[in-house]
Amino acid sequence: GAGVSQSPRYKVAKRGQDVALRCDPISGHVSLFWYQQALGQGPEFLTYFQNEAQLDKSGLPSDRFFAERPEGSVSTLKIQRTQQEDSAVYLCASSLGRLGKNTGELFFGEGSRLTVL
Amino acid sequence: DAKTTQPNSMESNEEEPVHLPCNHSTISGTDYIHWYRQLPSQGPEYVIHGLTSNVNNRMASLAIAEDRKSSTLILHRATLRDAAVYYCILKGGTSYGKLTFGQGTILTVHP
Repeated sequence: GAGVSQSPRYKVAKRGQDVALRCDPISGHVSLFWYQQALGQGPEFLTYFQNEAQLDKSGLPSDRFFAERPEGSVSTLKIQRTQQEDSAVYLCASSLGRLGKNTGELFFGEGSRLTVL
Repeated sequence: DAKTTQPNSMESNEEEPVHLPCNHSTISGTDYIHWYRQLPSQGPEYVIHGLTSNVNNRMASLAIAEDRKSSTLILHRATLRDAAVYYCILKGGTSYGKLTFGQGTILTVHP
């Protein structure tokens, strides 16, 4: 498809398990973002990649959260030792623009809903 | 990032125009005004953006006040599919494109 694809759409994890969420951005998009959206709230920024470089990870809530984009396309968000407060929808977005020249739109995926029991 | 203020919720009837307001009194000269919307169980979707002049596209119109301290998203004829949360966001022209979402406005459209 032509849009941003995320998998899995739904993930249930037991507290303490590790999870990995995948994002396939639109082909050729330089910028990739991860957001976390708690129930009833707006999305909150987690981290940003320009190609394979992680230029901003200021939104990652703890060192249990790790993101990578090794070849500048697909990205994975990994959460280690999941806690109940990690339950949220994790959104990935991509855009064509790059640092300093990005006033255009972000294209979002449908998100991965994580439930930690 | 400069802050925006939006009403928590608004209601409209189908096929009527909807004016969604946004205040951004601390906007800087290089901030673009972006609107996104989020339909239930979906990721946010770009609607429109502008800098100083009013903008129109197939989805909506954006009216920007002359002093740029407020803006209004206009849906010319609301449909049931327009029921969503609408976010007004300021994005720096020199930034890498990060969006800072607020609470947004929940738009309910009545048949």
